Amino acid sequence: RKEVEQDPGPFNVPEGATVAFNCTYSNSASQSFFWYRQDCRKEPKLLMSVYSSGNEDGRFTAQLNRASQYISLLIRDSKLSDSATYLCVVRDLNAGNNRKLIWGLGTSLAVNP
Amino acid sequence: NAGVTQTPKFRVLKTGQSMTLLCAQDMNHEYMYWYRQDPGMGLRLIHYSVGEGTTAKGEVPDGYNVSRLKKQNFLLGLESAAPSQTSVYFCASSYPDRRFYNEQFFGPGTRLTVL
Repeated sequence: RKEVEQDPGPFNVPEGATVAFNCTYSNSASQSFFWYRQDCRKEPKLLMSVYSSGNEDGRFTAQLNRASQYISLLIRDSKLSDSATYLCVVRDLNAGNNRKLIWGLGTSLAVNP
Repeated sequence: NAGVTQTPKFRVLKTGQSMTLLCAQDMNHEYMYWYRQDPGMGLRLIHYSVGEGTTAKGEVPDGYNVSRLKKQNFLLGLESAAPSQTSVYFCASSYPDRRFYNEQFFGPGTRLTVL
């Protein structure tokens, strides 16, 4: 099982739709969780952190389910500009007790007019 | 405020050639990182640095060397390029990532092809 798994998509949705992505992680001791956004041929940028209680930033809602070891990202009222790849990132302690980031392969979203 | 910059943006090498990728940041970040991104593999950490004069190996360090002589610069070297090193290379920087995560800011990437 991969450490961080995402459905690669692509998700094709019309403008205004609500879309949700899930990401599962294998290490139950994982500490922190994030969603990054990566536009085509561009660098990743932090979209939002994921907190245990769930958190919202405008049209974006992130949730964490530690019992089932997954995080989710919900995008409401999709815009054309939301078209991108969404990367799930998990922060773990490695064998040397150093923190490391584990990156998912990403979920591709295309919002259509 | 340019953030994180990388040079060059594109490069084509022949097998066995050497090159250096330069990363510069103007945010006074302590930590800097070099990643590679390949289809089906996700981002993988090559080397990182927690401060001027210090470097450490990441997940896939073989075939690469790094140096951090100045706080704002982090160099990635390929001594003898191989086709397996064809990839997109991203540099990133952050404030110290110890107890709490500090966001990593990425450069625009270098697309390297090794023939």
